Amino acid sequence: RKEVEQDPGPFNVPEGATVAFNCTYSNSASQSFFWYRQDCRKEPKLLMSVYSSGNEDGRFTAQLNRASQYISLLIRDSKLSDSATYLCVVNKNTGNQFYFGTGTSLTVIP
Amino acid sequence: GAVVSQHPSWVICKSGTSVKIECRSLDFQATTMFWYRQFPKQSLMLMATSNEGSKATYEQGVEKDKFLINHASLTLSTLTVTSAHPEDSSFYICSAREVGLPQHFGDGTRLSIL
Repeated sequence: RKEVEQDPGPFNVPEGATVAFNCTYSNSASQSFFWYRQDCRKEPKLLMSVYSSGNEDGRFTAQLNRASQYISLLIRDSKLSDSATYLCVVNKNTGNQFYFGTGTSLTVIP
Repeated sequence: GAVVSQHPSWVICKSGTSVKIECRSLDFQATTMFWYRQFPKQSLMLMATSNEGSKATYEQGVEKDKFLINHASLTLSTLTVTSAHPEDSSFYICSAREVGLPQHFGDGTRLSIL
């Protein structure tokens, strides 16, 4: 079983829409969770960390459900510039290994 | 913010050539750096964890004699793809992290083996 699983999409949504991505992880002892954004042919960039209490940064809201072992990312009022691949990243409890989901592709349409 | 520099950004070589990729943390000391590989339309796959002053830890299925990693200082790790072949063509990305903080990525190296 993969460490981290994501729906690859693609998600094609109109400008202004709200879109949500989910990600599940297999190791219940995982400690840290992140969402990264990757534009085509570029390196991933940290979008936000995910905290147990949930956290919000502008139009982006991240939530963690430890009982069900999933994290989510909600994007409100989608912009054209939000088009990218969103990667779910989980840090295992042993050492420094980080594991990535396959990424969810989002295209925001005018 | 933390910056990670990776060089070169693009390499085109003949089959059989060895290629070295450098990863530097520019404004912080990174005791641990990571090397990833990404094939088209796939996610990043962790290849190895590079620890300063000690041997790298390789993920299952990654040949340590094929992908040589050296982490000689707190700001520099290198990945050498030895005797590269077309199937090694990929996007290689390094990352580094300060203790307790998320990792930051280099710009990546596009390796094309002819």
